This record gives sequence, structure tokens and C-alpha cells, in this order.
Amino acid sequence: DGGITQSPKYLFRKEGQNVTLSCEQNLNHDAMYWYRQDPGQGLRLIYYSQIVNDFQKGDIAEGYSVSREKKESFPLTVTSAQKNPTAFYLCASSTGFVGELFFGEGSRLTVL
Amino acid sequence: AQTVTQSQPEMSVQEAETVTLSCTYDTSESDYYLFWYKQPPSRQMILVIRQEAYKQQNATENRFSVNFQKAAKSFSLKISDSQLGDAAMYFCAYRSSYNTDKLIFGTGTRLQVFP
Repeated sequence: DGGITQSPKYLFRKEGQNVTLSCEQNLNHDAMYWYRQDPGQGLRLIYYSQIVNDFQKGDIAEGYSVSREKKESFPLTVTSAQKNPTAFYLCASSTGFVGELFFGEGSRLTVL
Repeated sequence: AQTVTQSQPEMSVQEAETVTLSCTYDTSESDYYLFWYKQPPSRQMILVIRQEAYKQQNATENRFSVNFQKAAKSFSLKISDSQLGDAAMYFCAYRSSYNTDKLIFGTGTRLQVFP
């Protein structure tokens, strides 16, 4: 079945460590996105990519980095510079202009 | 900048009854898309319904329908014949037709369904 796979579902990290969240899609979508979800704040855009080897910062990019070396993959690295990384992270993709986003099941990151 | 506001943090409804979730947005653009997404306890976001701003007719998907008031910048979701499986967080979202790079989300409404 086509869809978006995020891994891991749950991740624990010590302060000062970088961690990478995986996002893979087999929908042949050009655009991919990373959102952060916190209670009471909805979803906030971290980074997005409309095409391979190109990506743009979203509203809260500080402390995060991404790469887009393949159309299917858009990993997100949460660096030690991110001051409050404990959150639920959602990856999404779309065909671009159509408007609808398809989401993965999310990754819960907890910093100990 | 565009904003999306959901003023109801929580709502509840009896099974088989009808409930309406509110959403307002602010934009100076004339062409855009509006969406309602559902996030059940499993946390995966699912598209419920979408509306193109240039269409006057309100979108409908089975038990879900919207009341789109473009002049008032209002986009409410009506759920008819509510079912226990409708219990979830519901997010309203806006996407520009000119800058299609991202969806702007509201803060969500948690819907509880009582038997």
C-alpha cells in the first residue's frame, strides 16, 4: 500500500545529543514537509521540500536540519541546539499544487 | 500573513446527534483552499473534507459537511449522525493558491462523543 512511513515511533534522547527522524514515502509525491505538534499549539511547519536537493525553512526551523537526497526520503535531524525538542513530529507529503497533505503516523521524541 | 483560529478547544456530542465545529481565518487573498483534518488517538492525520474558495457550493463527504462563508471568512464543519469513531482532534487548515508551499493550521478542537 502507498503511504508515508515514519520511524521510530518513540524516541528518547539525552540532552546534548542529535537525533534523526526518518520519513519515507512511496506515493511519488514531489513535496514533503515536517511539522511539530505541541499541545494547544496545533501544527507548526519546521522545513519543507518541493524537489530533490532543495528545501526551505518553515516557521520554526531553528535547531533542526533536513536533507532531500532522494524523492522518497526526507529525514529530520533534531540538533542539540533545539532548546525544547520534546514534541510530536509529523511528516507529510503532497503532489504540490493540489493542496491535500498526506501524513505519516508521527514520531514522539522525549528528551530526558 | 494568514491565520486560522479555532475558538473551541473542546466539544462534546451525543452519539447520533449533530455537532458543528467552528473555524475562522484571516487572509487578503481571494483564491485558496480550506481543509478539515481529523487526528484520532492513533495520531495519524486524516483529511476529512476540503473546500476550494472559488466554489460557492459547500463541500460534503457523507456525514461531514461544511458551511463556507467567504465574506465572513468562516469555515465550520458539521458532523451529522455522530459516531463513537468520530472522537478525535479536528484541525482546520488554510492553503494559499498563490503560495502553495505550506498549510497553516488552527490549534484544533477536541471532540468527545458520548454513547
